[in-house]
This record gives sequence, C-alpha cells and structure tokens, in this order.
Amino acid sequence: DAKTTQPTSMDCAEGRAANLPCNHSTISGNEYVYWYRQIHSQGPQYIIHGLKNNETNEMASLIITEDRKSSTLILPHATLRDTAVYYCIVKETSYDKVIFGPGTSLSVIP
Amino acid sequence: NAGVTQTPKFQVLKTGQSMTLQCAQDMNHEYMSWYRQDPGMGLRLIHYSVGAGITDQGEVPNGYNVSRSTTEDFPLRLLSAAPSQTSVYFCASSRLAGDYPYNEQFFGPGTRLTVL
Repeated sequence: DAKTTQPTSMDCAEGRAANLPCNHSTISGNEYVYWYRQIHSQGPQYIIHGLKNNETNEMASLIITEDRKSSTLILPHATLRDTAVYYCIVKETSYDKVIFGPGTSLSVIP
Repeated sequence: NAGVTQTPKFQVLKTGQSMTLQCAQDMNHEYMSWYRQDPGMGLRLIHYSVGAGITDQGEVPNGYNVSRSTTEDFPLRLLSAAPSQTSVYFCASSRLAGDYPYNEQFFGPGTRLTVL
C-alpha cells in the first residue's frame, strides 16, 4: 500500500510557483521522500528526494516538515511543460520495492 | 547510452495468447521492475528484481511471469492473455548501493497492450 496521500488535482498559473503537498504521517526515521512526475503518455521521471533537510536541484525544491509527516514539492516558476501527474513516494532502502500512489494531476494554466 | 528500452511499443493480442514484453537497460543497473498503468490510475508494481537470478512479486503479479538471467534484460511474460491485462506497461531500472536509499529509477517509454 502507498504510504502517502496527495490531492487528486491542482491548478497553477503559468509563471507562478506550484506547491504540491504530500502527507506521509506514518513515515519512519529511515524512510526517504521521493518525488517523480509523469507527463502524459511518457514514463515517470525522477525529480528530487530528501530525508529531513530541505533539498533543491535544477528542477524543484523539496520542503520537509520538522516532524517529517508531510512535505511540499515546489516548482518555482511553473511552465506549461510542467503539466503532469506528480507522485510522492516514501521508501527506506534501495532494496525496497517502489510503490506509486495515484499522485496529483497538476495543470499549469496560461 | 540508450537507457531503458522496451519492445514492442504497441501490441494487440487475442484472449488466451501468450507473449513476452522485452525490457533492456545498458546502465548496469541491478534493480529492474515492471509496472502497469490503467487509464486514470497510477502505476502498479507487477514484479521486480534486485539482481540476476533474483525476482520478487509486486502488488499485482497474477498472470505475469518474469525471469532475470542477465543484468541487462528483464522480460515480462503473459502466459494466457486476458482483456483485464489491457494496459500500458512500463519497465524501470536503477542502481543499488547497499542500504543507501538513493536509487533514481529510469523508466522506459512503455508498451501499449490491448487484449481482445
């Protein structure tokens, strides 16, 4: 079973920041938070991951709350190409199977 | 590097036929997996492997077989296709680094299967 809950869908205006929340209230101390996205008809694409510190890369920022029970993926300046389904996943080690939930469908509106 | 490749891209089968979906990666990744994705739904894990000769079941393994004789290849077999197996199938691979969790998965382009 997926260990995360996400809103089903969200809209964001082009050029604005997109903030995608994820609830993982049962996360354990050794589990990391991963984000992937899937653009229509393509395979999913890795975005970012983190343990307890905030992380940033060229694609996005990941903000994890101090109690680690939730996180937010931030796309700082959303473009139309960011329209996709975004998946939040928690897992412990590289040997763990990766289970995807239904994700959040983000629509970036002109 | 070609990354993760899948063949065929499209396939139509009749109920009861068998076939193998091919998946190959050239990144020397230990971990490989198969997912299916139905319309409006997320990805569901079918089978996965953490190395040659090692496979395990995912969420929805029934009706599918896998084997891993080499690091590069991870074929998915449908023994007797059913309409319920109509779906898009994605193969993925990633490296393993012991207990370190970082294992960005690389996905193939998918195989679109229709069973009539």
